[in-house]
Amino acid sequence: SQKIEQNSEALNIQEGKTATLTCNYTNYSPAYLQWYRQDPGRGPVFLLLIRENEKEKRKERLKVTFDTTLKQSLFHITASQPADSATYLCALDAIGNNAGNMLTFGGGTRLMVKP
Amino acid sequence: SAVISQKPSRDICQRGTSLTIQCQVDSQVTMMFWYRQQPGQSLTLIATANQGSEATYESGFVIDKFPISRPNLTFSTLTVSNMSPEDSSIYLCSVKPGGGETQYFGPGTRLLVL
Repeated sequence: SQKIEQNSEALNIQEGKTATLTCNYTNYSPAYLQWYRQDPGRGPVFLLLIRENEKEKRKERLKVTFDTTLKQSLFHITASQPADSATYLCALDAIGNNAGNMLTFGGGTRLMVKP
Repeated sequence: SAVISQKPSRDICQRGTSLTIQCQVDSQVTMMFWYRQQPGQSLTLIATANQGSEATYESGFVIDKFPISRPNLTFSTLTVSNMSPEDSSIYLCSVKPGGGETQYFGPGTRLLVL
């Protein structure tokens, strides 16, 4: 069956360091992969999308890589700030999904940036 | 982009009752999605609601338990019927405007069933 795995343990890092979050998937052939941020009590907010033919995508302090051979995406936040503390979700959109391009989400990783 | 509002933002309900959650979008969208997020868990898709057709439910979710209405391109409702404590969750409405790839989410409705 299809599976998306994110580290369920919280990631604690010091302000100014680079945070790296991992998303692994199995039994998928995703057309693209997306990363979302979710704050407590709020809905997810879209951050970045990377397509299957792209290796890397950047947006300000964010960088996403996508390795379809390893079936893995890495999400980096450079020069992290306490305001970056949130849960980060990866989501896949698989070609041919019966529901028509629905997103399936990983369990999310909680990031805590300490001042 | 899309701005989505949901009502109510939260509610506490008695078991056996039903609650209807409203989702309003600031632009016309074809596809609307309803998700559930149980405490400490990620999002699970309940159903896809397209205007003018029956909602499509995911495995484990049925229309009798989660009836959905989609009367126009900016509005949808999800009803949680005959509630039990296991239905305590956050319910999120989501859209994909303009046939794009990005989904936008509402703020969620936090439901507690006693």
